[in-house]
Amino acid sequence: EAQVTQNPRYLITVTGKKLTVTCSQNMNHEYMSWYRQDPGLGLRQIYYSMNVEVTDKGDVPEGYKVSRKEKRNFPLILESPSPNQTSLYFCASRRADYNEQFFGPGTRLTVL
Amino acid sequence: DQQVKQNSPSLSVQEGRISILNCDYTNSMFDYFLWYKKYPAEGPTFLISISSIKDKNEDGRFTVFLNKSAKHLSLHIVPSQPGDSAVYFCAATISNSGYALNFGKGTSLLVTP
Repeated sequence: EAQVTQNPRYLITVTGKKLTVTCSQNMNHEYMSWYRQDPGLGLRQIYYSMNVEVTDKGDVPEGYKVSRKEKRNFPLILESPSPNQTSLYFCASRRADYNEQFFGPGTRLTVL
Repeated sequence: DQQVKQNSPSLSVQEGRISILNCDYTNSMFDYFLWYKKYPAEGPTFLISISSIKDKNEDGRFTVFLNKSAKHLSLHIVPSQPGDSAVYFCAATISNSGYALNFGKGTSLLVTP
């Protein structure tokens, strides 16, 4: 089944404790990205990657890191999480020549 | 600056009637527009899209209309069903440019029996 998977789905952590949210897609998509969804703000892009070893900042990159060492994986790293990073996070992927993105199920992160 | 705007945070419609969700954009370079539907505890799922070379695209009960001169698009759902109750996001992009999808803030649709 073609899909985007994220882990964990739910995470509660404390300020400053490094964490990684994994994202994997099995569709051989070139393009992957991370979004956060906050009430009243919709979906905002954090980082995106157009292919392996190619990443770039989205609209709200502060406090986040990403890497793209393999085509299928695009982890989101929070080196020192803060409470304002409490949010619902979505990973997405698409083909380079196709506009429609496929989204993962989301990761709800709470930083205390 | 928000380039894609959905000015109605919520909409309530009776089952069987038409639901009309609106979206405005400011960037004249956008040439491809998409609607996503999102249920609680799930990721957004693609619903329907339209290229700027068209002014209408239809898929079953869902029709998207594009008015380029007004920089406005709308999603029509006819007839509305309770299972359509979800948050709908409008998105816009520049085709094949690597440009991100630019999302609106979403409209929460409630279809009542």
